[in-house]
Amino acid sequence: DAGITQSPRHKVTETGTPVTLRCHQTENHRYMYWYRQDPGHGLRLIHYSYGVKDTDKGEVSDGYSVSRSKTEDFLLTLESATSSQTSVYFCAITTGEGYGYTFGSGTRLTVV
Amino acid sequence: SQQGEEDPQALSIQEGENATMNCSYKTSINNLQWYRQNSGRGLVHLILIRSNEREKHSGRLRVTLDTSKKSSSLLITASRAADTASYFCATDSAGTALIFGKGTTLSVSS
Repeated sequence: DAGITQSPRHKVTETGTPVTLRCHQTENHRYMYWYRQDPGHGLRLIHYSYGVKDTDKGEVSDGYSVSRSKTEDFLLTLESATSSQTSVYFCAITTGEGYGYTFGSGTRLTVV
Repeated sequence: SQQGEEDPQALSIQEGENATMNCSYKTSINNLQWYRQNSGRGLVHLILIRSNEREKHSGRLRVTLDTSKKSSSLLITASRAADTASYFCATDSAGTALIFGKGTTLSVSS
């Protein structure tokens, strides 16, 4: 979607390796989110950020860390990838509480 | 923790028919939102209804909210093949990120 991009779009990695996914926005929105989408589970929140250097954990944060050093970038790191982290990862942004989210196109990650 | 639950999980209709999807949730909310996801794509925001609203329209979409029953419905009128997608409800409660349901998969055949 315009204003938010995720990279890479696809990645295959080996178990035990660190992986970083990037979310970049040009909307200057304060709030950014990382979700994962798995069959039968819908979307589940991993981490979110409400400003530069302000982050918090979501429902499924174990094994993930995030960083936000600039308004426009929100990085998701899998510290040591496991097969259970094979998923589609979505980044979302919003201008504030009570507004709709804009989602990126997703990153399909496969851990082998 | 899943807040919203959509019903049915899957729905198949013919072009021109109406499609109705329901969402139930568990705790109090500030607003409820509906999103569409086409295969292999990100979610797209469709409509937001606040807790003090009962009904909202946007084009061929009609959303209702019943806070006493903790439920919402999304009606798509005169469905088209292009409406084929998954539809998700998401609840917005104070101080939290959106919590999504598992979605309804809609298939519209011509």
